[in-house]
Parts: sequence; structure tokens; C-alpha cells
Amino acid sequence: DSGVTQTPKHLITATGQRVTLRCSPRSGDLSVYWYQQSLDQGLQFLIQYYNGEERAKGNILERFSAQQFPDLHSELNLSSLELGDSALYFCASNEGLYNSPLHFGNGTRLTVT
Amino acid sequence: DAKTTQPPSMDCAEGRAANLPCNHSTISGNEYVYWYRQIHSQGPQYIIHGLKNNETNEMASLIITEDRKSSTLILPHATLRDTAVYYCIVRPRGTTQGGSEKLVFGKGTKLTVNP
Repeated sequence: DSGVTQTPKHLITATGQRVTLRCSPRSGDLSVYWYQQSLDQGLQFLIQYYNGEERAKGNILERFSAQQFPDLHSELNLSSLELGDSALYFCASNEGLYNSPLHFGNGTRLTVT
Repeated sequence: DAKTTQPPSMDCAEGRAANLPCNHSTISGNEYVYWYRQIHSQGPQYIIHGLKNNETNEMASLIITEDRKSSTLILPHATLRDTAVYYCIVRPRGTTQGGSEKLVFGKGTKLTVNP
């Protein structure tokens, strides 16, 4: 158990809808990272937050947004969903120190029908 | 862009050592070598990381060549539960608090441990 909690585990929704994925980092971790894993793309970095502020952005679509709250949990919002957004979404956290490993949650499996 | 090259697949007999190679010929002085694994759609699991010295922990050993252009992850006594995709990642050392760098994943090596 990595200590990173993601909810829900599974989500099935229709095209055009909006969903919110939630991540609770390990106790004491200040940094949160979001990744998307689809069958044909592998693990792709989306966005990173540190102590509430955005620190790095990857290939995140404009339809997607994220935030980190004062209690350090994070939410990834996906809107105007398309079939191609079906994927596993992973959250990871670390202390935010220079060289600390990332610890991943077990993901949310999103299916868009 | 992934900066590492790994074989797409490997097999290992249960109880034997699994030696997973990784080439990172363009690694720079401030970059670490990290290893993660992913067991069947679970979240990636951190294994070990190193800069230039060999490292060992309860899961594995990491051997980095003197020129740092390649490394080997060693699972000393592989079990069926070690069947997974193993990712070798080169990651720059962050420079400021909160500046720890993201991980860039490649395709990894699919390790199959056979009974």
C-alpha cells in the first residue's frame, strides 16, 4: 500500500459528460502528480502541483483541469468527455524534495461510452 | 521523450536472479536512474534509484556502470509475483523545494517469471 488514495476506483460515463477524480496524497507529502495511461499511449504525465500551486504541465488537454486544495488533496476534472479519454488515471505524491521518489495510487479506471 | 532503452520482454525462471538491463547513454551528471514496476494495471511501484554508486534495498539491487551509460536492475530470487512491466527512468535532480521532477515513462520491459 503506497498510502496514496484515489477515488473512485471505477467510473463509467457517457460522451459529453464531466467527471471529477480525487486523490489524497500520502501523509506529509506536498506534491501531487497526475498521469494518464491508455493502451496505445503508455503512462503520460499530465500535471504537477506543489503545496497548492501548479508546478509543471504535460500533455494535458484544455478540457482537463486540476487543482490542489489547502488540505493537499487534489482533483482532476475531465469535461466534454470523448471515447478516447477512456484510460487509467493515476495520482502520485512525494514530499516535494529534490530527489524523492513518487509514490502512486492504484488509479481510477474511466470508461467513456 | 524517454531517454532510456530497454528490451521489450524477458523471461526468468522462478527462484533465479532476474537481471534487467537499461541503456541510458545520454545521461547527464545531475540525472538519477530510477526503476519502477507496474503489475497488471496497478499503480507503478517504486523499486530503487541511484546516481553513480550501486544501490541495494529489500527489493532489488541497482548496478550502474562506471561511465553511467547503462545500468542493471537485479531481482535476486524472482518469484511469480515479480511478473510485471519494469521501467527504467532517467530523472533530473530537482533544484528547488517543490521542484522535484516528474517521471517520464517509456515502454519498459515486460518480465515474465515462469514456474
